[in-house]
Amino acid sequence: AQSVTQPDIHITVSEGASLELRCNYSYGATPYLFWYVQSPGQGLQLLLKYFSGDTLVQGIKGFEAEFKRSQSSFNLRKPSVHWSDAAEYFCAVRDSGGYQKVTFGTGTKLQVIP
Amino acid sequence: GAVVSQHPSRVICKSGTSVKIECRSLDFQATTMFWYRQFPKQSLMLMATSNEGSKATYEQGVEKDKFLINHASLTLSTLTVTSAHPEDSSFYICSARAPMMNTEAFFGQGTRLTVV
Repeated sequence: AQSVTQPDIHITVSEGASLELRCNYSYGATPYLFWYVQSPGQGLQLLLKYFSGDTLVQGIKGFEAEFKRSQSSFNLRKPSVHWSDAAEYFCAVRDSGGYQKVTFGTGTKLQVIP
Repeated sequence: GAVVSQHPSRVICKSGTSVKIECRSLDFQATTMFWYRQFPKQSLMLMATSNEGSKATYEQGVEKDKFLINHASLTLSTLTVTSAHPEDSSFYICSARAPMMNTEAFFGQGTRLTVV
C-alpha cells in the first residue's frame, strides 16, 4: 500500500529565510505526487504536482519541489518565506490505478517569525 | 482549475440527529468523489470512495451505516452523518475527479461539523 511520510511535524523559520519541507513516499510504481497547503479551517490548495518529466516542478506562490526517485523523496522548497506562508503543508501520493486514491502525509505546520 | 463546492461550510447539530453534507463539481463531471475526515491538527483520512450510480467503497474501520454516501449524479455526492454524536465532530472534506483526466482531484473547502 502507498504511504507518505513527513518527518517534520512543526517547522519555524524567519521571514525571508529559505524553506525546505521533507516528504518521503512509498509506492510500487512511478508515483503521482502533490503538495497541498491548508490554512486553519480551510480546504486544500494545490501548490504543485509531479506526474512525469522534469523532476524539478514549479508551483504557485514561489514554491518548487524536486522528485528524487533514488531517495523516494519529493521535498518542497521556497527560497524566501513570507509571513503569509504560515500554514499546514501536506504531501500526498496518488494511486495510478483503480479509483486513483490519494494518500496524505501527516502534515508539517509552518510557523513564520518576523 | 476545476471547482468543487461543498456545503455547508459549518454546521452545528444536536446529538442523535442526522446531517447531510453536499459536494458538487461545478464545471466538470465527476465519476469519482472521495470523502475525507480530518481531526484537529491531524492529516486527512480517506473515509470512502463514491462512484456515480454505484455503492460507495468504504475504508476499513469506517461505519457505512453511520456515514451514508450517495453519488446520484455526475456532479453531486452527499455524505449523511446519521445519529450524530459528539465524537463525530470533525472537519469533512470532499474531492472530485473527472474521468479520463490525468490530473489531480479537486477539493472542496470542507465542512466543520460540531455535534452538541
